[in-house]
Amino acid sequence: AQTVTQSQPEMSVQEAETVTLSCTYDTSESDYYLFWYKQPPSRQMILVIRQEAYKQQNATENRFSVNFQKAAKSFSLKISDSQLGDAAMYFCGGATNKLIFGTGTLLAVQP
Amino acid sequence: DTEVTQTPKHLVMGMTNKKSLKCEQHMGHRAMYWYKQKAKKPPELMFVYSYEKLSINESVPSRFSPECPNSSLLNLHLHALQPEDSALYLCASSQGVTGKGDTQYFGPGTRLTVL
Repeated sequence: AQTVTQSQPEMSVQEAETVTLSCTYDTSESDYYLFWYKQPPSRQMILVIRQEAYKQQNATENRFSVNFQKAAKSFSLKISDSQLGDAAMYFCGGATNKLIFGTGTLLAVQP
Repeated sequence: DTEVTQTPKHLVMGMTNKKSLKCEQHMGHRAMYWYKQKAKKPPELMFVYSYEKLSINESVPSRFSPECPNSSLLNLHLHALQPEDSALYLCASSQGVTGKGDTQYFGPGTRLTVL
């Protein structure tokens, strides 16, 4: 069994500031993958960033980076230089044989 | 082309109707998925197809019937639905057959309302 937990239902950040979204993931599998997906209002889900659990190096994608702490089962997403277009629901996901999502964090970006 | 398309965008149906949702991808992906998403909730996996064969059914009621006619197409046939089945139905695809670590590309979804 696998579980994904996002403890922050809502977050807010000022434009150009940095925000960190939290996620914890638990599985008995040794081989798994972690994802952050973004779902803007009334728009489709897109991948933000992907992390292989066997890699120690944290994934980065432009302004988005993760802090993967395997022992702590933590997989947080850092958004730097936040932009208005970053406003969306962010889902953390974990995958062994299937992709399971956390409950999501709704991010608001204030101008 | 990294696009997954879904039709229709919106669907309203009565509990006695039969309707179908359609999903299409032309990325050469070998795995395709149906998810159900209620408002302000995460997507929940319903079905997974790998190489056009059903590989995962998450104990979905039989009033939902998936079909994969070929590697690019995925249908979801709906019959005798209940009002609680109203939701956003998302289709996704991925390169790998298990979808284990491969990025899933999502379509825009079909907004279904059951009256």
